[in-house]
Amino acid sequence: QKEVEQNSGPLSVPEGAIASLNCTYSDRGSQSFFWYRQYSGKSPELIMSIYSNGDKEDGRFTAQLNKASQYVSLLIRDSQPSDSATYLCAVPMNTGFQKLVFGTGTRLLVSP
Amino acid sequence: EAQVTQNPRYLITVTGKKLTVTCSQNMNHEYMSWYRQDPGLGLRQIYYSMNVEVTDKGDVPEGYKVSRKEKRNFPLILESPSPNQTSLYFCASSLTTRPTKETQYFGPGTRLLVL
Repeated sequence: QKEVEQNSGPLSVPEGAIASLNCTYSDRGSQSFFWYRQYSGKSPELIMSIYSNGDKEDGRFTAQLNKASQYVSLLIRDSQPSDSATYLCAVPMNTGFQKLVFGTGTRLLVSP
Repeated sequence: EAQVTQNPRYLITVTGKKLTVTCSQNMNHEYMSWYRQDPGLGLRQIYYSMNVEVTDKGDVPEGYKVSRKEKRNFPLILESPSPNQTSLYFCASSLTTRPTKETQYFGPGTRLLVL
């Protein structure tokens, strides 16, 4: 069983700061990684995916992957109160992506 | 509007009373899946379907059944619900198995309480 670990938080940052969310995974063979955002009482929403080592940027979001250390991070620049949500890391259990294993999520609180 | 709908959104039932949670998508997606979300345990996959009449178990299939007779519908069936199936359930669909921001959609969730 592949495992995906996240600190449950809450991670509190002031508005305008960089929020750094981390995820570690157990399967060294994992190739793909996904970040979801889930607002309280709402459904998850895919915001980032990353497949190769290094950084991938999309607007204020940057995903960082380090396969040697088996961690993937999500950086949120210029954090806004509207970024307050739970962020879930997900890793496919197989190469076909049919099965996704999710971490328990990190709750982010951005204070004005 | 592209969407995944689930019904009911909220349900309180009693142990052993069969129930069905419906999931329907209007995007002609081939891949659909069911998840349950519990505090401290995160999202766990129950079943998934690659296409009509093709279904397979996820991480936690015990106590659940699914069917995929039409491409748009993927109902979740609890034949004999038990209190440990009290949870928040999400249905998801995507164009292919690899999720992307543009092609993966989650339903609004169904909150189930089994007494």
